[in-house]
Amino acid sequence: AQKITQTQPGMFVQEKEAVTLDCTYDTSDQSYGLFWYKQPSSGEMIFLIYQGSYDEQNATEGRYSLNFQKARKSANLVISASQLGDSAMYFCAILRTGNQFYFGTGTSLTVIP
Amino acid sequence: DTAVSQTPKYLVTQMGNDKSIKCEQNLGHDTMYWYKQDSKKFLKIMFSYNNKELIINETVPNRFSPKSPDKAHLNLHINSLELGDSAVYFCASSQASGDLEQYFGPGTRLTVT
Repeated sequence: AQKITQTQPGMFVQEKEAVTLDCTYDTSDQSYGLFWYKQPSSGEMIFLIYQGSYDEQNATEGRYSLNFQKARKSANLVISASQLGDSAMYFCAILRTGNQFYFGTGTSLTVIP
Repeated sequence: DTAVSQTPKYLVTQMGNDKSIKCEQNLGHDTMYWYKQDSKKFLKIMFSYNNKELIINETVPNRFSPKSPDKAHLNLHINSLELGDSAVYFCASSQASGDLEQYFGPGTRLTVT
């Protein structure tokens, strides 16, 4: 069963606008972690943001924030004030009990000047 | 200094050959991972080692064998390469098993002809 679902294969956003990348997850674990990674065209994987299942406040890191809705099992990434350098693939991932990471299929974001 | 390095960056080989990909991290981390990213960009964990000991072994063919000579190195050896093994292979490390942040290597693009 798919543990992480990213339903948007491709997204476009105007430069300086905000964009939300969707992520839903499936787990019965009480304790888990949610991550977002960025993969630019150069191929490397860059850690962006982390949210723990018991964290009451949404995680924020600079222009990145994670809209965590536990009851709906969603962990959407919000990028504010998009920049051209934000064009990349974005992966949502979950760390479940047993130290197992599972990644979603990714969303390709293109920032339009 | 590169935190997580992989060699080679590109590898083109024929079916049936045996090849190895090397990974080294200079972060002093205890845990290292191998991921496979297929042509659809889906990232799947293959193996995880903590202090030279295997802790995760997802369902991968036994043609894939990880080797960890010390906790800074996790090499991936692949026997009898098949066309379906063509993918980008990422090495990653984290401070401890299941730690919040994984640092990824640049990836090795393997093409089997």
